[in-house]
Order: sequence, then structure tokens, then C-alpha cells
Amino acid sequence: EAGVVQSPRYKIIEKKQPVAFWCNPISGHNTLYWYRQNLGQGPELLIRYENEEAVDDSQLPKDRFSAERLKGVDSTLKIQPAELGDSAVYLCASSLAPAGNHRQYFGPGTRLTVL
Amino acid sequence: DAKTTQPNSMESNEEEPVHLPCNHSTISGTDYIHWYRQLPSQGPEYVIHGLTSNVNNRMASLAIAEDRKSSTLILHRATLRDAAVYYCILRDSGGGSEKLVFGKGMKLTVNP
Repeated sequence: EAGVVQSPRYKIIEKKQPVAFWCNPISGHNTLYWYRQNLGQGPELLIRYENEEAVDDSQLPKDRFSAERLKGVDSTLKIQPAELGDSAVYLCASSLAPAGNHRQYFGPGTRLTVL
Repeated sequence: DAKTTQPNSMESNEEEPVHLPCNHSTISGTDYIHWYRQLPSQGPEYVIHGLTSNVNNRMASLAIAEDRKSSTLILHRATLRDAAVYYCILRDSGGGSEKLVFGKGMKLTVNP
């Protein structure tokens, strides 16, 4: 089966520019997650979707970050405007269900560099 | 989510077994113990999980202490491809903790 697909793999932008990341989860997975991973740290959750509904966005910086998951499948994470501190790897993951005994499948991530 | 404690790093030799420890003294009765690993330039990858009993799969074994306050991930024959950062994570099976709370993890180096 195809894994979680993310694009682009790399993005370099100047500060104050907008940027968007795209994720296609594994077919049939209702739960989708966006994580941010800073250098040398573990991933941190930004937002979690159950189908089309964002059920946990408490860690999403809402002044500049937005996300959507149309039709409960693909998802887009946007930053506008980007800041230097946004440089990180943005990971998308999906799971069949949110329960604690279900594994999460991660995509390869998008490495963002803000100059 | 309850916290876990892992060494910052470990080294092993190729084709030898390696035991990766994890302490989770504040684990609750409904917490699953999950292990993920992250190879360089890749997203995290599921390794194994368990609740109370020891678990085996094609990648590794998970040994859980009787009091569940610690666990050990066992790679039976380390290969160079096992060099990665390993994360030990607790997840509540009762819901409410659907996210994975990653720490810094433990970097495993495998020497040829």
C-alpha cells in the first residue's frame, strides 16, 4: 500500500513570504496529524483531524498558521507570513483510528528553510 | 501524557543484540508503551507497542517490566540500517491522548 505522501520535500523561502505544504494520507485513514520537528528535537503536534474536523489545534500558532482537510482526505498546512523561527521539518501522519493502540504512519516530511 | 526517560545515546556493534532501555515510572494502567524510530532524513517509523505482556514482531521485541515502570526494546541482531533515533512514548488507550508526545529520543549508533 502507498504510504503517506507529502510535497514538496524541500522549500526555501524568504521571511514574510507565504508557504504551503500538502499531505495525502493512507487511503481509509480517518485521522490525520501535522507535526513540526525542530533540529535535534522530537516532533511536536500542531493539529489533528478526525475526518474533516480539526479536533486538536491547541498547539497551532493561529496568527500565522492555518490548515484544512477538504473532504476528509488530503490536507494542506499554510504559513503566512513565514518567520525565521519557522524553519523546521513539517511532518504529516495518519492513522486508522485515534485510539492509543493504533500506530501512526508518517510521511517523509517537508524541510522548510526561511531566510 | 506520562513522561519517559531514555539515555541520550547508545552504541552497538553490527550483528550483535542491543537493548534500548526506557523508564516510565508514572505510567498509568491504561497507557500503551510505543516505540518509534527515525532514520536520518525520514519521518518516524513505528517499531512496536505493548500494554502488559512482552511483544515480538519482525523488527524487534519489547520486554515490559512486571510493574510496567520500565521497558526494553530489543533488536536481536543490529544492522547498520538500525542506526536511528529511537523514541519511547506512552499513549493512553482510553482516548484523550491521541497524539504522540515525543521526547528527544535516544540516538543509536551501530558500528560495523
